[in-house]
Amino acid sequence: DQQVKQNSPSLSVQEGRISILNCDYTNSMFDYFLWYKKYPAEGPTFLISISSIKDKNEDGRFTVFLNKSAKHLSLHIVPSQPGDSAVYFCAGHNTNAGKSTFGDGTTLTVKP
Amino acid sequence: DTGVSQDPRHKITKRGQNVTFRCDPISEHNRLYWYRQTLGQGPEFLTYFQNEAQLEKSRLLSNRFSAERPKGSFSTLEIQRTEQGDSAMYLCASRPLGTDTQYFGPGTRLTVL
Repeated sequence: DQQVKQNSPSLSVQEGRISILNCDYTNSMFDYFLWYKKYPAEGPTFLISISSIKDKNEDGRFTVFLNKSAKHLSLHIVPSQPGDSAVYFCAGHNTNAGKSTFGDGTTLTVKP
Repeated sequence: DTGVSQDPRHKITKRGQNVTFRCDPISEHNRLYWYRQTLGQGPEFLTYFQNEAQLEKSRLLSNRFSAERPKGSFSTLEIQRTEQGDSAMYLCASRPLGTDTQYFGPGTRLTVL
């Protein structure tokens, strides 16, 4: 049972345009959702998070939207830059259990 | 603060050998996690510690795997009698109390021949 699903393995956008990365989850016990970014040969780095009691969180060019009824969240990057090209992981965190569950990632390519 | 470090970065071993990996978390992060990642997949939870106590271990972790965090600082992950299916990237992460953000190390890539 995959509790966190990122159904698009890859996404390609033009520099300056919006990138939208999607994530679906099934576990209602998640109380935080996080996005991590991973470059080759490095570990994932934290990007942005959202509490399950909120529907939007914004940090600069990055905005995460949460639709709790649909169990869906998305990461918007505006404007996209070539340096944003990386693998993006969505994760659901269960504070009581103390652990996060990750999706399989979406590879974003931003073309100059 | 230099972040989470892992040693070695790469390990090639023959099937049946034992291997041990080390993780040094960010100082004063009381939680430490081990994950395994294979190509095309996200990090898969293996186990985690709060200080020196191992609080949870994934049922995916066979009894060939053991992890320790003896003084609540660095941690080791040992795999005994390695199998080819153990080939993966092993990631360590640490987390301070009161946040949900994990800080990952660069990983140890294990190849079992």
